[in-house]
Amino acid sequence: GESVGLHLPTLSVQEGDNSIINCAYSNSASDYFIWYKQESGKGPQFIIDIRSNMDKRQGQRVTVLLNKTVKHLSLQIAATQPGDSAVYFCAEGQGAQKLVFGQGTRLTINP
Amino acid sequence: GAVVSQHPSWVICKSGTSVKIECRSLDFQATTMFWYRQFPKQSLMLMATSNEGSKATYEQGVEKDKFLINHASLTLSTLTVTSAHPEDSSFYICSASNSGLFYGYTFGSGTRLTVV
Repeated sequence: GESVGLHLPTLSVQEGDNSIINCAYSNSASDYFIWYKQESGKGPQFIIDIRSNMDKRQGQRVTVLLNKTVKHLSLQIAATQPGDSAVYFCAEGQGAQKLVFGQGTRLTINP
Repeated sequence: GAVVSQHPSWVICKSGTSVKIECRSLDFQATTMFWYRQFPKQSLMLMATSNEGSKATYEQGVEKDKFLINHASLTLSTLTVTSAHPEDSSFYICSASNSGLFYGYTFGSGTRLTVV
């Protein structure tokens, strides 16, 4: 399978601050991107998605930014809360092909 | 919303035995189901894609004879780990879609398999 994830980067933020999680994707032909949140021992939970014809999309407290020039995706979480602690994965897809997951980032919240 | 139920949530088995994991779409018909494996502190690795009524498509490096996938109905797919060994211990997760499109994907809660 694809998606290499040998080490899990960690991001620590203060409660109430904004969090920015970054992801570099590999396939320039990918036209759909998703951010997932995974809590310990659970399956991934959909957060927000974006199509390649957009460069920004906002949800409730979350914003996804897409930079196709450098194949970079970011997830911004506003006013980070303790419940946001989890591992966050980006995933890329093309057409109706399989999703390929990024390595993931562990977000920890400091009180 | 779309709900995918995965069972069991955890299982411990002895080396050499087989284990079956079920993935059910509860409120929609899943034309496509995906099976992933996740080792500790790693990302999700796609093992195979299954479409109802046809043979599963396995990713490179995944042994099809060891990881048997059956998608006999639009609401149920099963993954059987045959002759399990300790190195098969992992977190197995399924996802299902009723459209084949990404925004239709819903993930199950995962199954923690421990082979002793």
